[in-house]
Amino acid sequence: AQSVSQHNHHVILSEAASLELGCNYSYGGTVNLFWYVQYPGQHLQLLLKYFSGDPLVKGIKGFEAEFIKSKFSFNLRKPSVQWSDTAEYFCAVESGTYKYIFGTGTRLKVLA
Amino acid sequence: DAGVIQSPRHEVTEMGQEVTLRCKPISGHDYLFWYRQTMMRGLELLIYFNNNVPIDDSGMPEDRFSAKMPNASFSTLKIQPSEPRDSAVYFCASSLTSGGRGEQFFGPGTRLTVL
Repeated sequence: AQSVSQHNHHVILSEAASLELGCNYSYGGTVNLFWYVQYPGQHLQLLLKYFSGDPLVKGIKGFEAEFIKSKFSFNLRKPSVQWSDTAEYFCAVESGTYKYIFGTGTRLKVLA
Repeated sequence: DAGVIQSPRHEVTEMGQEVTLRCKPISGHDYLFWYRQTMMRGLELLIYFNNNVPIDDSGMPEDRFSAKMPNASFSTLKIQPSEPRDSAVYFCASSLTSGGRGEQFFGPGTRLTVL
């Protein structure tokens, strides 16, 4: 069965620190990849997506992600986090059925 | 567009009662998804529809749960009878899949508490 792993369940950083959240998936075919963010008490919002082309994808709010096909990974990065980035981050994979498989999420807390 | 609309935003009910959650997808979207989010299990896909037809309901926990989509602009998720373990946030999402790609847009969710 397809699965998505987010190994970091909780991350605590100070403002201005760099961020990298891991996402690995298990599926050998063509995939579409997404990162969503959920701010406290809010719904999920799309941060960025990868369908094809340049494996380095830039999203909103200074986030970017790199698709490494050989490693089945799609890690999320941000060079300098802000307090307002405190949220839960979800990686998702879609493999042609329009159905997402979500990871378990990573809770990020940024200390001011 | 107003985005995906869900109602109610909060629902508190007693065990055994029927609960109906409602969703209006973004106009023109052809896929609709129902998710449940809990601390223990994270974000789970319950069921999804394509052009109002249920495609995969394998995530529906048990017969107490049912979902319908009578038309392109409305869907319901019903729990009858409700139990305390059904307490969760229920999200509806919709997507437009023209061109073979579909970014899902999520609604604000319904926070359900079953006492």
